[in-house]
Amino acid sequence: EDKVVQSPLSLVVHEGDTVTLNCSYEVTNFRSLLWYKQEKKAPTFLFMLTSSGIEKKSGRLSSILDKKELFSILNITATQTGDSAVYLCAMTSTDSWGKLQFGAGTQVVVTP
Amino acid sequence: SAVISQKPSRDICQRGTSLTIQCQVDSQVTMMFWYRQQPGQSLTLIATANQGSEATYESGFVIDKFPISRPNLTFSTLTVSNMSPEDSSIYLCSVRNNYNEQFFGPGTRLTVL
Repeated sequence: EDKVVQSPLSLVVHEGDTVTLNCSYEVTNFRSLLWYKQEKKAPTFLFMLTSSGIEKKSGRLSSILDKKELFSILNITATQTGDSAVYLCAMTSTDSWGKLQFGAGTQVVVTP
Repeated sequence: SAVISQKPSRDICQRGTSLTIQCQVDSQVTMMFWYRQQPGQSLTLIATANQGSEATYESGFVIDKFPISRPNLTFSTLTVSNMSPEDSSIYLCSVRNNYNEQFFGPGTRLTVL
């Protein structure tokens, strides 16, 4: 059975710290791994990683995909209070076109 | 990314009633997806809505409970029928772009009393 596991479940950091979020997955036929930020209701798209794009960076956020070890990391540097949110990792497979299978999420709290 | 809107943004309903949620996209898309997020849980796919054909439901979700319409390439509705308190959730529609990136609408927060 396909599975997505995120760790830690929650963490509290101070402004300016660096945060590393983990996402491991098990899937029969991997297609892509996506990261989202959820503050209230709607998840906001951050990155998509595939076999042809295993590293992404946007500002203070970056992500890598290790297809051999089946995990991804989301890094946030120089954290700000606006980074406080739940970060969701999701996976798609070639067997179920378009279906996102989500992990439980990591709750990040950035304190001033 | 596509601009997605949903109506209503939130609603409080009585058990036994039904609510229809609308999702509008500013561009034509082949597939639209409906997700549910129960309190304290992550997102779960309810069904995939294709224009011109029946929606495809995930295990645990049935058409009688969650009928879906997809009349054209920019619009879809999800109805939550015969509601119970267990249906209290955030309901989200989602679309995929040509690069297979998926984006979500603003969500509908439903509370069933």
